[in-house]
Amino acid sequence: EVQLVQSGAEMKKPGESLKISCKASGYSFTEYWIGWVRLVPGKGLEWMGIIFPGDSDTRYSPSFQGQVSISADKSINTAYLQWSSLKASDSAIYYCARPRPTDQQGHYYMDVWAKGTTVTVSS
Amino acid sequence: QSVLTQPPSVSGAPGQRVTISCTGSSSNIGADYDVHWYQQLPRTAPKLLIYENINRPSGVPDRFSGSKSGTSASLAITGLQPEDEADYYCQSYDSSLSDSVFGGGTKLTVL
Repeated sequence: EVQLVQSGAEMKKPGESLKISCKASGYSFTEYWIGWVRLVPGKGLEWMGIIFPGDSDTRYSPSFQGQVSISADKSINTAYLQWSSLKASDSAIYYCARPRPTDQQGHYYMDVWAKGTTVTVSS
Repeated sequence: QSVLTQPPSVSGAPGQRVTISCTGSSSNIGADYDVHWYQQLPRTAPKLLIYENINRPSGVPDRFSGSKSGTSASLAITGLQPEDEADYYCQSYDSSLSDSVFGGGTKLTVL
């Protein structure tokens, strides 16, 4: 069974750094993309970016380029989402999910989702 | 303001049929990019409901169906059940933004 398991909820202060994780199982981690989606209550879902663990090819949504860092460790089948300096506006639920390509270049949909990690940033 | 526009809410009685629209533009749905739909039940992660406009993943009941025409797409739910009460999101790709985009989400209430 394909499974994605995320790390637990985080409470941080503005300016602090954070790295959350997503461990994959049940499929070949290096042969599929893995990505991140943000949910801000009342604002809906936002596509953040994806990474191909096989060669670390990473593609960020323009809205999140430079704001976060996506990485993967193929030795432990785990993807990461990282912030160097959190802001209150980063408070959200972050979902790890597996993108599947369509036959349209650059276009993916998410077929498997993890349960999400709630990040709260407050002074 | 989302690139893809969905009604904030729809409702229907058990057994009825409801549709949720997803309106885009010439740089996304109108450019013939596929549309996908997700269901998010309360306090759970989103779940893929429809992919590439009309396809249902294994395990999704055939009460759920998708369609696309011009710059819009629709999700139809027939034989509405109380457990269908959830948020529904459409997703596509926008060539002007070079980015995947979601609709703002629609809250379905089963009366």
